[in-house]
Amino acid sequence: GEDVEQSLFLSVREGDSSVINCTYTDSSSTYLYWYKQEPGAGLQLLTYIFSNMDMKQDQRLTVLLNKKDKHLSLRIADTQTGDSAIYFCAESKGNQGGKLIFGQGTELSVKP
Amino acid sequence: DGGITQSPKYLFRKEGQNVTLSCEQNLNHDAMYWYRQDPGQGLRLIYYSQIVNDFQKGDIAEGYSVSREKKESFPLTVTSAQKNPTAFYLCASTVGQTMMNTEAFFGQGTRLTVV
Repeated sequence: GEDVEQSLFLSVREGDSSVINCTYTDSSSTYLYWYKQEPGAGLQLLTYIFSNMDMKQDQRLTVLLNKKDKHLSLRIADTQTGDSAIYFCAESKGNQGGKLIFGQGTELSVKP
Repeated sequence: DGGITQSPKYLFRKEGQNVTLSCEQNLNHDAMYWYRQDPGQGLRLIYYSQIVNDFQKGDIAEGYSVSREKKESFPLTVTSAQKNPTAFYLCASTVGQTMMNTEAFFGQGTRLTVV
C-alpha cells in the first residue's frame, strides 16, 4: 500500500517540545521527508532522512526513524509561535519513478 | 531570484468552464509536478513531467490536462469533466527527473473555487 498516516492536529505551549508522528506502509521507501507549509503558501523542505539511518539532527529539529515499525517522527525543540504551520511527512520510492507520497499533514498550533 | 511562480493566487470558475493555472520556474529544473491539496487529505499527484514534451499521469489525472512545451512552464487545465475542482493547487519542480534524494521546490499555490 501507499498510505502515509499522520494525526491531523497538535497543540503545544511556546517553549515546549513538539513531536509529530508519521507511519508509512511501504518498506521499500528509500527517503523520508518532512515539509512545512505556512498558511496560504507552498511547501518548504525541512529535512529528510535516508532509510538506512535511525536519527538525524539539525539544530532544533530531530528526526527519528524506526524502520521495523515503519514509524517516523519529527521533534521540534523549544517550539516557537513561528513554528505554527502544517507539517507533512512524505516518502519517495525508487521503484515508482521517485514520486513523493504525502501524509495528510499535521497542523501544529503553538500557544504563547 | 530563482524560484517557482504560480498564478493567479485565487481563481474563480463557473461550472462547466475550463480554466488554466500557470506554473513557471527559472531554476532550470528538469521535472515539474502538479499536486492538489484538500483539507485532511494531504497532497495528491495530478500530473508530472520529467522532460520537455513529455508528461505522465499521477494518481488523480481525470478531468485535468497539461502541456510541457517549454522547460520552464507546466500549465494545468482544469476541465469541465473534473467533478469537484474546488481545491488548492500546488506546482513543484526538482533539479533531477525524480523527487528522490532532492529537494522539491513548491510554488505558493492557486486556490480555485467553483461558483
